[in-house]
Amino acid sequence: EVQVVESGGGLVQRGGSLRLSCSVSGFTFSDYAMFWVRQAPGKGLEYVSAINSDGGSTNYADSVQGRFSISRDNSKNTLYLQMSSLRPEDTAVYYCVRAGHSSDWYSWFDPWGQGTLVTVSS
Amino acid sequence: DIVVTQSPDSLAVSLGARATITCKSSQSLLYSSNLKSYLAWYQQKPGQPPKLLISWASIRESGVPDRFSGSGSGTEYTLTISGLQAEDVAEYYCQQYYSTPYTFGQGTKLEIQ
Repeated sequence: EVQVVESGGGLVQRGGSLRLSCSVSGFTFSDYAMFWVRQAPGKGLEYVSAINSDGGSTNYADSVQGRFSISRDNSKNTLYLQMSSLRPEDTAVYYCVRAGHSSDWYSWFDPWGQGTLVTVSS
Repeated sequence: DIVVTQSPDSLAVSLGARATITCKSSQSLLYSSNLKSYLAWYQQKPGQPPKLLISWASIRESGVPDRFSGSGSGTEYTLTISGLQAEDVAEYYCQQYYSTPYTFGQGTKLEIQ
C-alpha cells in the first residue's frame, strides 16, 4: 500500500523557521517526482513546490520562492520542506504529494498525505 | 502563470440529478506532441486530503464510480457527476499540470438540494 506521511508542523512565530518531513512507503521513492501543496484554513489548494525524482531540479511558487527549500533523501525515502522567514499568510495545512506517474513531474498529484498544520503567529 | 477558473463557486443539485462543473484555463492545456490535456480533477471532503478523480482530462482513476466523467480540450473542461449520490457532497477542484507553477481552480462546493 502506498503511504505518504507528513510530520514537523506546529506553531511558529513570524520570521521563524520550520522543517517539514514526508516519509513514504509502498513504492520506489526514487522513481517519482514529489510535491508540496498547501491549504490555508477554509481556503483552496495552492501549489508550493516540486522536486524531480533525483532531486536535481526544483520549482517553487512565487509566494515562497527564496524562503522555502525542497529536498529529498532517496536513501531514506523522505521528502523535506525547509521553511524560513515564515509569515502569517503561510499558515496552512501542508500536504506531501506524489506524482501520479513516474516518468516526469508534469503529472497529476496522487496520492496525498493527510497533511500537517503549520501555524505562523504574528 | 496559467490561471484556472472554475464555475460555479457552489452548486446545489437534487439526489439522482446531474451536476456539472466547468474549468477554464488562460491558455491551452493540450500538448500538441501527444494530444493529451494536462488537467486533473480532485474531490475533497471535510477534514480529508484531496482525492484524485480524473487525470488527462477524461481518464477516471481506478475505483472512482463511473458516474464521474471528465471532458473537454484546449481551454475548457467539464466534470460531470451523473446521478448525484449523498456521498458526492464535497469540494471539487481542477488543476493544470501543463506548466509550473501548477495551478488549481478556486474550488466548487457541491451540496444536495
